[in-house]
Amino acid sequence: GESVGLHLPTLSVQEGDNSIINCAYSNSASDYFIWYKQESGKGPQFIIDIRSNMDKRQGQRVTVLLNKTVKHLSLQIAATQPGDSAVYFCAENDYKLSFGAGTTVTVRA
Amino acid sequence: KAGVTQTPRYLIKTRGQQVTLSCSPISGHRSVSWYQQTPGQGLQFLFEYFSETQRNKGNFPGRFSGRQFSNSRSEMNVSTLELGDSALYLCASSFSGTASSGANVLTFGAGSRLTVL
Repeated sequence: GESVGLHLPTLSVQEGDNSIINCAYSNSASDYFIWYKQESGKGPQFIIDIRSNMDKRQGQRVTVLLNKTVKHLSLQIAATQPGDSAVYFCAENDYKLSFGAGTTVTVRA
Repeated sequence: KAGVTQTPRYLIKTRGQQVTLSCSPISGHRSVSWYQQTPGQGLQFLFEYFSETQRNKGNFPGRFSGRQFSNSRSEMNVSTLELGDSALYLCASSFSGTASSGANVLTFGAGSRLTVL
């Protein structure tokens, strides 16, 4: 079946460095993707989204890149801060959200 | 404005019992979706309601059911609880839901953590 996956389950980043979280999807018909952040004890929180007619979208300190040719998404976090420590999920929006397994980001001081 | 509110936040049940979880969406949101989150399976879609009608359903047994009221508040019920039903149950709301086209961001609540003993 169709699925959304993340390349790495964990990522350790030095505070101040940039973080890159990757995600692969398999449904070539997907036209909308979302990144969520989930902190301990909380529900997923929207970070940024991108439509399939775009290659890149920027937010505050975050950038999402979409490569439809290889069906790959990435989330870039600039100047990673301790508050960025969380689990990050990419999700594909069809008639429901299909989530990847998540990448746990740990920020080292 | 107030976010998505889920109650109760934590509950413990025993096998064979049933449980009802409640979700109050963001004011003005007509779509409510439910997801189950477990360490092994991740986030799995349960169902989506829009204007009191179930629009889509995930691959869960019939023991999992839900409903939506005219004020868009939603409840989900799990009957004959099994150990494997232990999970974080998340509710999410949006204006028009994921079943419709376009970019519809879901806003999640903090979840109801169910432990089945």
